[in-house]
Amino acid sequence: GESVGLHLPTLSVQEGDNSIINCAYSNSASDYFIWYKQESGKGPQFIIDIRSNMDKRQGQRVTVLLNKTVKHLSLQIAATQPGDSAVYFCAEEVYGQNFVFGPGTRLSVLP
Amino acid sequence: DTGVSQNPRHKITKRGQNVTFRCDPISEHNRLYWYRQTLGQGPEFLTYFQNEAQLEKSRLLSDRFSAERPKGSFSTLEIQRTEQGDSAMYLCASSSGTYLAKNIQYFGAGTRLSVL
Repeated sequence: GESVGLHLPTLSVQEGDNSIINCAYSNSASDYFIWYKQESGKGPQFIIDIRSNMDKRQGQRVTVLLNKTVKHLSLQIAATQPGDSAVYFCAEEVYGQNFVFGPGTRLSVLP
Repeated sequence: DTGVSQNPRHKITKRGQNVTFRCDPISEHNRLYWYRQTLGQGPEFLTYFQNEAQLEKSRLLSDRFSAERPKGSFSTLEIQRTEQGDSAMYLCASSSGTYLAKNIQYFGAGTRLSVL
């Protein structure tokens, strides 16, 4: 069945360093992926997305990389700031309808 | 505020009681989703609507759960005869996407249910 998971459940980085959050997915037919950020007490917030016809997409301070060969996604955050502390989820669109979310990675930014 | 709105934010109930949550999506969005999230886990899909039609329900959704979207606008999620295992955050999301367009889901802040 479809599933999305993460390699690292927690990640601590120094303020100003770059962060890399990884995600594995299992459905090779999935063609759309989203990274969400969730802060305590809030719903998930859209960060960046990517379609399977791309292998890289950049936003403001964030980059998503997609490796379809090994079914792997990563989210790179440049110059990590305290406000980036949150749980990050990758989500895989299933049959163009709903999404399967991974369990999340907690990012802690150290001063 | 034109985002997804959920009410109530918190609900405490006794086991066996019925509860109902409401979601108001972004006004121009035709798709509405319900998810359940437990501590330390990602959101888990429950069901979704395209306008007023409920198109898919998770196999995990027991008969005690029912959702409606009568006019294709707001939606309600009802849980009958609540159990302690129903304690979770219930998230609603909406999107305007189709298969050919981006299906970016925008989430509300959720309703946290505690069953005592």
